[in-house]
Amino acid sequence: DIVMSQSPDSLAVSLGERATINCKSSQSVLHSSKNKNFLAWYQQKPGQPPKLLIYWASTRESGVPDRFSGSGSGTNFTLTISSLQAEDVAVYYCQQYYSSKTFGQGTKVEIK
Amino acid sequence: EVQLVESGGGLVQPGGSLRLSCAASGFTFSSYWISWVRQAPGKGLEWVANIKQDGSETYYVDSVKGRFTISRDNAKNSLYLQMNSLRAEDTAVYYCARDSAEAGFFDYWGQGTLVTVSS
Repeated sequence: DIVMSQSPDSLAVSLGERATINCKSSQSVLHSSKNKNFLAWYQQKPGQPPKLLIYWASTRESGVPDRFSGSGSGTNFTLTISSLQAEDVAVYYCQQYYSSKTFGQGTKVEIK
Repeated sequence: EVQLVESGGGLVQPGGSLRLSCAASGFTFSSYWISWVRQAPGKGLEWVANIKQDGSETYYVDSVKGRFTISRDNAKNSLYLQMNSLRAEDTAVYYCARDSAEAGFFDYWGQGTLVTVSS
């Protein structure tokens, strides 16, 4: 099984500042023939189901604000919130879909 | 509007059984893989099982193999999860989630139904 590890477990960022979340997979999730990374990011607010933010490591889902961006390849990935807003307080998860499906443990983002 | 509505959760004793349902609307149900994903209280997300469009293929996480069965009824736009031999560690909110047409990420989620396994 591919194990996903996120860092940090939590972070506090001032409004308007950048938030960066890292995700590392135990093996590459880059599909060489398709040249795509099988990696998605989700946002989960308290009491709500997860919401898809990013797929193929860097493709933003329709309707997601452009302050959210994804980057990385192979085994190392990053979700960046360029200018944190109050409504971005949530837990963020990465997920690989290269081999079965597994999630990272989550990163809690709060306001400093 | 895509909607997924889970039902059937509740309190069950260890070793007991429960059947979850997910009613889908707003899209062509028979054209998509559908998954169950669970979340233990205060914990992260765990994919549980999924099923192909016509029900001919099913996959499970190791921890539920032989105990849980995923099925679907495309005529009723419904997904099911039969859970047998339940354990305390199966306690979680169970979400129904649509697998994207592109690949195995989840583009729509239901609100979830809580399953509590306790004596």
